[in-house]
Amino acid sequence: AQTVTQSQPEMSVQEAETVTLSCTYDTSESDYYLFWYKQPPSRQMILVIRQEAYKQQNATENRFSVNFQKAAKSFSLKISDSQLGDAAMYFCAYRFLYNNNDMRFGAGTRLTVKP
Amino acid sequence: NAGVTQTPKFQVLKTGQSMTLQCAQDMNHEYMSWYRQDPGMGLRLIHYSVGAGITDQGEVPNGYNVSRSTTEDFPLRLLSAAPSQTSVYFCASSYSMQSTNTEAFFGQGTRLTVV
Repeated sequence: AQTVTQSQPEMSVQEAETVTLSCTYDTSESDYYLFWYKQPPSRQMILVIRQEAYKQQNATENRFSVNFQKAAKSFSLKISDSQLGDAAMYFCAYRFLYNNNDMRFGAGTRLTVKP
Repeated sequence: NAGVTQTPKFQVLKTGQSMTLQCAQDMNHEYMSWYRQDPGMGLRLIHYSVGAGITDQGEVPNGYNVSRSTTEDFPLRLLSAAPSQTSVYFCASSYSMQSTNTEAFFGQGTRLTVV
């Protein structure tokens, strides 16, 4: 079974600085998607960024970017110019390309942003 | 555009009671899923559906039933609530695998406490 590991239960960053959240995963498949979701105190799950495994180029969305290392099965999220609104729980998730239903999540990293 | 709507947002049950968590989506998504979120464990898949009339078990299905009589609705039933079912429950929906849109949309969650 595919597993997703987030080894940092908590992280903190100073406002305007950069922070990197780590994620590793285990799979025998070659075609899959990886996601980072943000969960603020409202509980709403918000998609931050996604990466298709067949794409070598790292995905970016404004201040959010990923470092996707397929051979190492690593998928870290970099948040640049951190803002107070970035404070939330962040979940890394994996989904096999041909199974839309079985999304596997990591345990989450709680990010605190200090003013 | 309502997206995925879950009701109720909060619920307290006594052990042995039954209840139904409601989930509705207005995006004409084929796929719908239920997850539970527990501290330190991320989200785990309970049941899922690939279309009206079709449901299947996920990672942690025991104690829960689902049905999918329409494309829009995917209720989750707790038959006899147990304290181990205290959790936050999320409903999610997405397009079929044939779609290039890979994003899963989540409801706002239901915090369930079983006493």
